[in-house]
Amino acid sequence: SQTIHQWPATLVQPVGSPLSLECTVEGTSNPNLYWYRQAAGRGLQLLFYSVGIGQISSEVPQNLSASRPQDRQFILSSKKLLLSDSGFYLCAWSRGANYEQYFGPGTRLTVT
Amino acid sequence: QQQVKQSPQSLIVQKGGISIINCAYENTAFDYFPWYQQFPGKGPALLIAIRPDVSEKKEGRFTISFNKSAKQFSLHIMDSQPGDSATYFCAARPNDYKLSFGAGTTVTVRA
Repeated sequence: SQTIHQWPATLVQPVGSPLSLECTVEGTSNPNLYWYRQAAGRGLQLLFYSVGIGQISSEVPQNLSASRPQDRQFILSSKKLLLSDSGFYLCAWSRGANYEQYFGPGTRLTVT
Repeated sequence: QQQVKQSPQSLIVQKGGISIINCAYENTAFDYFPWYQQFPGKGPALLIAIRPDVSEKKEGRFTISFNKSAKQFSLHIMDSQPGDSATYFCAARPNDYKLSFGAGTTVTVRA
């Protein structure tokens, strides 16, 4: 069966500091990978989408970037965090573009 | 611009009652409509999904009703239990990866 991991689970970072969140998927190969952000009490906003190693599509302009160095690894980064970057970050995977998306446990980021 | 509108924002139901959450959409290209359940501090879990070729899909106590002409779909939770207390998100997408999510409904089941 497939498993998706995210770490860290929680993170408190000062404004202006860098960020690196990691997501890995087990039990499948060549998955589609996604990064979402969920603001408090709101729905999910798609940030990045990847169909393969080194292939990243950005959905919204922002202070964040994503990379996919390995088939089942997806990283969300920032060089300098803003207060507005606080939120719950979720990684998801699917077998293909029009298949079900399955979410990881999430990372709670607080920028102070 | 939210492509999927979800209501109510929250609801309280007694144990054994029926919870009903409604969603509406405008994009006629949408052809896949999943529902996710999210507990506090956890990632959303896929609960049930429907495609527009059927009007209803049932899995245990959870039922999706779909009205293609009205561009509406709803989730019914029958015999609601305290363990069903969670936030529920509807979503929709065309034949690609772009899921559009509703804003969520927080369901509280009182014992």
